[in-house]
Amino acid sequence: DAKTTQPPSMDCAEGRAANLPCNHSTISGNEYVYWYRQIHSQGPQYIIHGLKNNETNEMASLIITEDRKSSTLILPHATLRDTAVYYCIVEDDGGSNYKLTFGKGTLLTVNP
Amino acid sequence: EAGVAQSPRYKIIEKRQSVAFWCNPISGHATLYWYQQILGQGPKLLIQFQNNGVVDDSQLPKDRFSAERLKGVDSTLKIQPAKLEDSAVYLCASSFDRYNEQFFGPGTRLTVL
Repeated sequence: DAKTTQPPSMDCAEGRAANLPCNHSTISGNEYVYWYRQIHSQGPQYIIHGLKNNETNEMASLIITEDRKSSTLILPHATLRDTAVYYCIVEDDGGSNYKLTFGKGTLLTVNP
Repeated sequence: EAGVAQSPRYKIIEKRQSVAFWCNPISGHATLYWYQQILGQGPKLLIQFQNNGVVDDSQLPKDRFSAERLKGVDSTLKIQPAKLEDSAVYLCASSFDRYNEQFFGPGTRLTVL
């Protein structure tokens, strides 16, 4: 089962920041948080990942709380093309094999 | 760089028939994954290869599903015989190694009638 909890859906106005929350209260100290998104009829796309520090790349920013029990993905200026299902994933460390267990994610709809 | 290629993109079969999907990962990627995505759910990992060896197949229904990755490059996923509940999108992904981001292909949409 997925180790994360996300709202099923969110709306955002085009040009505004989209803030997608994720709870992962059972995360272990060495487990990373990953974010992927899936645009309709496409395969998932990697966005960003982090361990404990905030991270930023050309797509988004990831803010992880100090206790690491929750995080927020920020799309600073959402566009219509950002409409997608966003998955927050805590890697599943099955021994030496890291794997990603996807939940149902959050459907973000960016409105004009 | 070229992405992950999958074929076919769509397949419709009758139950109890067999079907095979093909995946060509990104060149140089050692790790290859097959996922099953049922409508309305997130992808579920079926099998993970590291080069041509299986790392994890704990969620692969081995009585009907099989997969191979010959020479550590291309991979095929087979279902024999198919059931109605196998209707889903089958996604292939690859990564440089098991600790790196995964790149997904467009998927194969399977409909079992």
